[in-house]
Amino acid sequence: GENVEQHPSTLSVQEGDSAVIKCTYSDSASNYFPWYKQELGKRPQLIIDIRSNVGEKKDQRIAVTLNKTAKHFSLHITETQPEDSAVYFCAASINSNYQLIWGAGTKLIIKP
Amino acid sequence: NAGVTQTPKFQVLKTGQSMTLQCAQDMNHNSMYWYRQDPGMGLRLIYYSASEGTTDKGEVPNGYNVSRLNKREFSLRLESAAPSQTSVYFCASSGGLNTEAFFGQGTRLTVV
Repeated sequence: GENVEQHPSTLSVQEGDSAVIKCTYSDSASNYFPWYKQELGKRPQLIIDIRSNVGEKKDQRIAVTLNKTAKHFSLHITETQPEDSAVYFCAASINSNYQLIWGAGTKLIIKP
Repeated sequence: NAGVTQTPKFQVLKTGQSMTLQCAQDMNHNSMYWYRQDPGMGLRLIYYSASEGTTDKGEVPNGYNVSRLNKREFSLRLESAAPSQTSVYFCASSGGLNTEAFFGQGTRLTVV
């Protein structure tokens, strides 16, 4: 079955710098890759997603890139702000399957 | 428009007790999900309901049962709680396959 690995588990960056979180997946049939943000004590919320027919997607300061050959995808956050501090989760699923397989999460800390 | 509402928010059970977690959504979504979240492990799918009238096992279904009562409601039952079921449980709904999932606020369950 699908397996998703996420790195790093903790990432500390200076406010204003960029942050990159990487995920790898095992099943080449996976074709949907969402990223969720979970603030402390809150529910996960979708911040961006990408499908396998697209190599990159941007939404303001957030971007996701997908390398299908290498089976990895990354979240890029530019000009980080204090409100970006949270745990970020990647996930992957196959088009015919309702089961999202999640990474273990990355705790992003923005240092003032 | 409340989104996804789950109850209770907190619960302490003794080993062997049973309980039902309730979830309701008002977004007219077809698909609903139950996840558990454990430290350092991301979210794991317990059961899902792709559409009203259907339910299927996820990654970790053992010890749980579900009921899709109608399009709005999807409940999770623990028949005989075990300490290993101590976790935070999230209900979620989505419009369909590989679309944004909206989460409830979570239930923190402790089994002693």
